[in-house]
Amino acid sequence: DTVLTQSPALAVSPGERVTISCRASESVSTLMHWYQQKPGQQPTLLIYLASNLESGVPARFSGSGSGTDFTLTIDPVEADDTATYYCQQSWNDPTFGSGTKLEIK
Amino acid sequence: EVQLVESGGGLVQPGRSLKLSCAASGFTFSDYNMAWVRQAPTKGLEWVASISYGGSNTHYGDSVKGRFTISRDNAKSTLYLQMDSLRSEDTATYYCARHNIGTTPNWFAYWGQGTLVTVSS
Repeated sequence: DTVLTQSPALAVSPGERVTISCRASESVSTLMHWYQQKPGQQPTLLIYLASNLESGVPARFSGSGSGTDFTLTIDPVEADDTATYYCQQSWNDPTFGSGTKLEIK
Repeated sequence: EVQLVESGGGLVQPGRSLKLSCAASGFTFSDYNMAWVRQAPTKGLEWVASISYGGSNTHYGDSVKGRFTISRDNAKSTLYLQMDSLRSEDTATYYCARHNIGTTPNWFAYWGQGTLVTVSS
């Protein structure tokens, strides 16, 4: 299985720029996707195929990367962005990162 | 509006069976690959199984292979997950998810609200 590694938590202030990283244990090309999960809710898709913004998602969210290193950027961060963010690869059987919990100070 | 509504969760003893359902609406169900993804309490997401839009191709995660069966009824726009030989480590919220459009399932574009399965004696 492809293992995806994310940093466990981040804390930023509103208006700042935040980058959330995801490293794959092997190259997944651009088959990387990002989800937001707010407390008590189901996940929602933010970014697909590394850099494509899902319809309806604010342009404050962007994704980049290829191969093994990927980044989700939120700029500027808002209080409503408090959530856990997961990366997911589809190069082989789907796997998810362990999630990055984002706290807004 | 895409809606995925799961049902069938509950408390079940180890070794027993349970069948989950997911009623889909707001899109042409038979056009999309579908999946189940689970989340153990306070843990991350784990893909469980996927099924092709016609139902002929299925794929399972290693932790459930041989115990769980994914199926669908396109006439009823409903996805199922038959779970046999349940273990305590199967305790989780189970989400029904719609894959992206196209023949190759990549991302999970829509998710239901989830149904909680608790395996305990």
